[in-house]
Amino acid sequence: EPEVTQTPSHQVTQMGQEVILRCVPISNHLYFYWYRQILGQKVEFLVSFYNNEISEKSEIFDDQFSVERPDGSNFTLKIRSTKLEDSAMYFCASRGGLGRGEKLFFGSGTQLSVL
Amino acid sequence: GESVGLHLPTLSVQEGDNSIINCAYSNSASDYFIWYKQESGKGPQFIIDIRSNMDKRQGQRVTVLLNKTVKHLSLQIAATQPGDSAVYFCAENHTGGFKTIFGAGTRLFVKA
Repeated sequence: EPEVTQTPSHQVTQMGQEVILRCVPISNHLYFYWYRQILGQKVEFLVSFYNNEISEKSEIFDDQFSVERPDGSNFTLKIRSTKLEDSAMYFCASRGGLGRGEKLFFGSGTQLSVL
Repeated sequence: GESVGLHLPTLSVQEGDNSIINCAYSNSASDYFIWYKQESGKGPQFIIDIRSNMDKRQGQRVTVLLNKTVKHLSLQIAATQPGDSAVYFCAENHTGGFKTIFGAGTRLFVKA
């Protein structure tokens, strides 16, 4: 089965530093997402991306966050100046369409630790 | 119940028994519902989905029930196995909507 791949699996950074989390969505998918999950909590929507622009974002996704699809295969999440509370598991996801039955496929996540 | 921090609702069942995991959703406009399974250290994995024009859907060993009147969703797992141990999340979406919203998870423990 095709899969979403994320790198790195773990990222440790100092508070205030910039981080870039990388994802390769499933190749024929058109809709791309970032979610995050703080330890032991539910999976929270951050942002959706379609046709090279953000289609929807949550309150969490403030000016410190940005997303980019720099080429035809990668999808990145950048956090400009990390805070302690950014520590979480970040999941990339993709889907082929928006119709009912269009499944969301998740990667295995990047565990971000901000010290 | 609601999950707060590390205190996810927990369900503990004996291997071979049936499991029922419940979820309340919030958005009346949601017309598509999904159950995800999340094993430790992994991303959520699709289990089964249901559209709002249905009240029941069966898969292999799993059944999802939808009660739109009370905005309630349940996942039934038949003959629960140790490999079913995981956190289970319900999620909701509406047709044409970009985002899928997750509910609070339930941790399922299967005792051998």
